[in-house]
Amino acid sequence: GAVVSQHPSWVICKSGTSVKIECRSLDFQATTMFWYRQFPKQSLMLMATSNEGSKATYEQGVEKDKFLINHASLTLSTLTVTSAHPEDSSFYICSANRDQETQYFGPGTRLLVL
Amino acid sequence: QQQVKQSPQSLIVQKGGISIINCAYENTAFDYFPWYQQFPGKGPALLIAIRPDVSEKKEGRFTISFNKSAKQFSLHIMDSQPGDSATYFCAASSMTGYSTLTFGKGTMLLVSP
Repeated sequence: GAVVSQHPSWVICKSGTSVKIECRSLDFQATTMFWYRQFPKQSLMLMATSNEGSKATYEQGVEKDKFLINHASLTLSTLTVTSAHPEDSSFYICSANRDQETQYFGPGTRLLVL
Repeated sequence: QQQVKQSPQSLIVQKGGISIINCAYENTAFDYFPWYQQFPGKGPALLIAIRPDVSEKKEGRFTISFNKSAKQFSLHIMDSQPGDSATYFCAASSMTGYSTLTFGKGTMLLVSP
């Protein structure tokens, strides 16, 4: 299957700081990437859809000024959690569309805000 | 409104048995139905997927059964192994637009040795 990587795999930061998470499609180009959030023992919650070269589309209830998404190239999308607070602690997962229907997921990034 | 309902929430199966997970959807625009397997602390991995033009798809020990009229689909894991113990998510999407996935709530499968 296609390979999607995320960096870092885990991060601990102080409250009020910003954290950037990178998502890369390693062996294919992805015009569309997605960012999800997952709480323990729960399903994936779509945060936003990221399209290369254009603004991200955020799901209802997701603060676009807090979760900044940049899709600068066909293989890289970044999620920046600005002014992070303990309630932002979660497992963040990206995915990328290799074709019109198939989404491949990254390994996830665990964020802990102290 | 939950558009994809998944059951059961958890499942315990003996080694060698058949694991069955069911999903039902409401949106008739859905035309792509993947199943993902997720181990703790890892991202979901695509397991198998089906389009509504077929009623069944088999890949190794994993089979999807699809009932378009009932708007239901299920995952069958034959000869279940302890290594299959994971959380399984069904999902659905429409081929139009950005193909965003709507996920079920997940099923935690435990295969006992």
